[in-house]
Amino acid sequence: QVQLQQGGAGLLKPSETLSLTCAVSGGSFSDYYWTWIRQPPGKGLEWIGEIHHSGSTNYNPSLKSRVTISVDTSKNQLSLKLSSVTAADTAVYFCARGLRFLERLLGLDYWYFDLWGRGTLVTVSA
Amino acid sequence: SSELTQDPAVSVALGQTVRITCQGDSLRNYYASWYQQKPGQTPVLFIFGQNNRPSGIPARFSGSDSGNTASLTITGAQAEDEADYYCYCRDSSSDLPLFGGGTKLTVL
Repeated sequence: QVQLQQGGAGLLKPSETLSLTCAVSGGSFSDYYWTWIRQPPGKGLEWIGEIHHSGSTNYNPSLKSRVTISVDTSKNQLSLKLSSVTAADTAVYFCARGLRFLERLLGLDYWYFDLWGRGTLVTVSA
Repeated sequence: SSELTQDPAVSVALGQTVRITCQGDSLRNYYASWYQQKPGQTPVLFIFGQNNRPSGIPARFSGSDSGNTASLTITGAQAEDEADYYCYCRDSSSDLPLFGGGTKLTVL
């Protein structure tokens, strides 16, 4: 059974760099879009960015200048770095496994997240 | 526009049927997926693609699509269905992920 084990510091000061990891056990990195999503307290889900097993990345335009997502295939581990954090970055951060199903002949094209980490609460406070 | 719009809150009487909707232009190109999230818990995939349910998701949950609207229907809502529900798809312009704002379902 594939599991996502999250780790990283939960308390940061403003201007520091958030650094989280997500270890994938029981499965491989191939053919998935490994994704970071966050949820501020009492609010909805916000997509941060993704990395495909090929190495290509996409980032939320509102965070792009501060975000780096990478993978270490030797460790089966996904990483997130978010620089220059402020109180607005306080949130629960989730890693998730994304998939795309495409069958053009049938007119089917859909994306979904089938597996989520348990989340890491990151608090930014002076 | 690059948005998915959900009603912030919906309520349903125990045992009745409720539909939670998600609107957005991108839904004309992509099927939505739906996630249930209970307080303090991780979101869970409930519906994906053309009304597919992962193993373990009750059959009272179903999904449908029409034009720019995706719907999650619960037929015979139970007390344990009280939760937040989020829709998701990709933006057909940028191809970046989009989440709806979430709907808080209350079972009366």
